[in-house]
Amino acid sequence: GAVVSQHPSRVICKSGTSVKIECRSLDFQATTMFWYRQFPKKSLMLMATSNEGSKATYEQGVEKDKFLINHASLTLSTLTVTSAHPEDSSFYICSARWDGHLYEQYFGPGTRLTVT
Amino acid sequence: KQEVTQIPAALSVPEGENLVLNCSFTDSAIYNLQWFRQDPGKGLTSLLLIQSSQREQTSGRLNASLDKSSGRSTLYIAASQPGDSATYLCAVTASPQGAQKLVFGQGTRLTINP
Repeated sequence: GAVVSQHPSRVICKSGTSVKIECRSLDFQATTMFWYRQFPKKSLMLMATSNEGSKATYEQGVEKDKFLINHASLTLSTLTVTSAHPEDSSFYICSARWDGHLYEQYFGPGTRLTVT
Repeated sequence: KQEVTQIPAALSVPEGENLVLNCSFTDSAIYNLQWFRQDPGKGLTSLLLIQSSQREQTSGRLNASLDKSSGRSTLYIAASQPGDSATYLCAVTASPQGAQKLVFGQGTRLTINP
């Protein structure tokens, strides 16, 4: 099946710094990638949707200047958390899909971000 | 606005039992519904995808049904095993047009006791 990877799996950073999370589709070309955030024992909340070569579409309440998303190629999307604060600590999961395959999304393993 | 609800929030059963997890959604105009499994601290594994025109899908000991008109789906797990312990999430896709966003339920935390 389709495989999506994320890097890093865990990251700890200090308040005020920026951190970048990568999401890669390993064996298919992802026309669309999605970024989700998950709080402990909660469900996934969609943050933004990105299509290759175009600007991401952010969900209501998500600060686009704080969570920078780049989808420069059909196999890579990045999420950069800028000027991180402790409240940004969370589990971030990406997913990817390609047009025509039943619109099924394939999920990465997630990245645990801790801001100290 | 589409809302997805899963009942129960948590379930604990002895090994070997058959069990049913429930998912309901408020807007029946869905394109498809997916069931996922999530282990603690891990990403999501897709279990079954049901298109809106389908009534059920089966994979091994898992069977998912869909009643779009009533806004319900069930995930049936036969002969449960300790390795089935995980959180199970259902999610619906609203439309083939646009962003095809997934809307998730809160999940059911399943524990299978040896």
